[in-house]
Amino acid sequence: DSGVTQTPKHLITATGQRVTLRCSPRSGDLSVYWYQQSLDQGLQFLIQYYNGEERAKGNILERFSAQQFPDLHSELNLSSLELGDSALYFCASSVRASGGDTQYFGPGTRLTVL
Amino acid sequence: GQNIDQPTEMTATEGAIVQINCTYQTSGFNGLFWYQQHAGEAPTFLSYNVLDGLEEKGRFSSFLSRSKGYSYLLLKELQMKDSASYLCAVANQAGTALIFGKGTTLSVSS
Repeated sequence: DSGVTQTPKHLITATGQRVTLRCSPRSGDLSVYWYQQSLDQGLQFLIQYYNGEERAKGNILERFSAQQFPDLHSELNLSSLELGDSALYFCASSVRASGGDTQYFGPGTRLTVL
Repeated sequence: GQNIDQPTEMTATEGAIVQINCTYQTSGFNGLFWYQQHAGEAPTFLSYNVLDGLEEKGRFSSFLSRSKGYSYLLLKELQMKDSASYLCAVANQAGTALIFGKGTTLSVSS
């Protein structure tokens, strides 16, 4: 158990819908990262927050957005869902946002879009 | 561009030693990580290298050559539970996200 929690574990929804994934980082970690993992693409970085502020953006679609709240938990919002958005979504956290900080991953949310 | 290459699949037998290679070309370098991931589960941290050389941690060791853009993960005394995907990842800038390779699926047989 990494100490990072994610809810829900599984999510099944229809195309066009909107969902929210939630992540609580390890106690004391200030930085949160969101990754998407699909079978053919591997782990792809979406977005990073550090102490409530957006720090870096990766291959995140405009239909996706995220935020980090004052208690440091984070939410990833996915809207106008398409079949291709079906994937495992992982949240990771690290103590700071500096080189060498190990990222610890949560158990993931498996999203299925039908 | 950013590119991380690893073999797609490897097989080995219990008790053996296996070496999983990783080559990378990234715009910056602030360390290389190895993660283990069992199917459908979270990646778990194995090792971190930022300087050239070998880091040993129990049955697992990781090597880095920055000049060659090359790393390997060495697994000794293989056990069935080592069957998993092994992910090589580079931090190209300090404190930002990792760039992952597509992973090497290792199958250990008895």
